[in-house]
Amino acid sequence: SQKIEQNSEALNIQEGKTATLTCNYTNYSPAYLQWYRQDPGRGPVFLLLIRENEKEKRKERLKVTFDTTLKQSLFHITASQPADSATYLCALFTGGGNKLTFGTGTQLKVEL
Amino acid sequence: GAVVSQHPSWVICKSGTSVKIECRSLDFQATTMFWYRQFPKQSLMLMATSNEGSKATYEQGVEKDKFLINHASLTLSTLTVTSAHPEDSSFYICSAPLDRAGGEAFFGQGTRLTVV
Repeated sequence: SQKIEQNSEALNIQEGKTATLTCNYTNYSPAYLQWYRQDPGRGPVFLLLIRENEKEKRKERLKVTFDTTLKQSLFHITASQPADSATYLCALFTGGGNKLTFGTGTQLKVEL
Repeated sequence: GAVVSQHPSWVICKSGTSVKIECRSLDFQATTMFWYRQFPKQSLMLMATSNEGSKATYEQGVEKDKFLINHASLTLSTLTVTSAHPEDSSFYICSAPLDRAGGEAFFGQGTRLTVV
């Protein structure tokens, strides 16, 4: 069956450290993978997109890697801040018309 | 960036009544919109794909007669939860993707539905 799995446990880290979140998928061959941030009671907000032919993508303090052999994407937040605390979701295109399927999400908490 | 507006942000209704949720793309046209449902501490589950000018496509297990979707224009899709029951209480979110391959999706702020 098709699955998109992320760290099921919440991730607690100290301010200033690098947070690394994992997204693993099975039985998909996505051309694109996206990462979103979701705050409680709000809709997700797009962060980054990476294509299958890209190994790495950066945007400010964010970095995403995409390994199509391992079927895995890693999402890094460097110099983390309490304001980075949220749930982070990876998403794959799984059908026509830009249909997105989301991973299980990882809750990140950055502590002072 | 593109904006998707969803209304209402929360609604409480009595069991057996119907509730309509609106999703509007404010500054771009969306031939396709998606409706998701999210239970507490769970991820977004796709319910249906809303297609402008044609019938919606529902995911397996989603009752199309219960969750009526209408996409009458390029900027508006509506989801009507008919004969709502307490188990329909959830967080409903719409999204509209940019119309290009791999285009990012813009989400509404979500609607918290509570059926009493």
